[in-house]
Amino acid sequence: AQSVTQLGSHVSVSEGALVLLRCNYSSSVPPYLFWYVQYPNQGLQLLLKYTSAATLVKGINGFEAEFKKSETSFHLTKPSAHMSDAAEYFCAVSEGFNKFYFGSGTKLNVKP
Amino acid sequence: DSGVTQTPKHLITATGQRVTLRCSPRSGDLSVYWYQQSLDQGLQFLIQYYNGEERAKGNILERFSAQQFPDLHSELNLSSLELGDSALYFCASSSHERDTEAFFGQGTRLTVV
Repeated sequence: AQSVTQLGSHVSVSEGALVLLRCNYSSSVPPYLFWYVQYPNQGLQLLLKYTSAATLVKGINGFEAEFKKSETSFHLTKPSAHMSDAAEYFCAVSEGFNKFYFGSGTKLNVKP
Repeated sequence: DSGVTQTPKHLITATGQRVTLRCSPRSGDLSVYWYQQSLDQGLQFLIQYYNGEERAKGNILERFSAQQFPDLHSELNLSSLELGDSALYFCASSSHERDTEAFFGQGTRLTVV
């Protein structure tokens, strides 16, 4: 069975600082991995996805994530946080055949 | 626009009542997932249907039920509502392909008073 663990339910950074949101997964098959973002009072939207091409995946709004098989990790980073990045971020893994598993989410707070 | 439509957007009802939330998946997607999101529980997977059949069940209460119809739209029925059922209910749909993301609707905000 799949599982996704997001370390840290709340992360706070200063504007301009590095953003690092952690995601670890367990998988019995090669994983397909996703990061979603949820802004207040909105649905979840896709930020980026890993589908076994390049291990470093670039997404929207300057975010990127690196797939590390040896660490079973897919951490999300952004070099310089912006106030508009304040949102909740969800890591997810797909096992295929319509099976998606989501982490519990990390709320990112950006301080001026 | 994700292509997933949820209605209604907002719903206010009294304790003990029953409501039905509706979801139309993205065109061509056979699978529908329901999630509940509340402040204290976060995003909780409730149930999944694939082409009309229940595929997986998560933390869904016995008071809740769902179904997927032949036209692939899905309904989530919540009965004997309690104050704690107040939450945002999301529907998502996906195809069978592993490298395809799940697409989320905008959610139905349920308030039980």
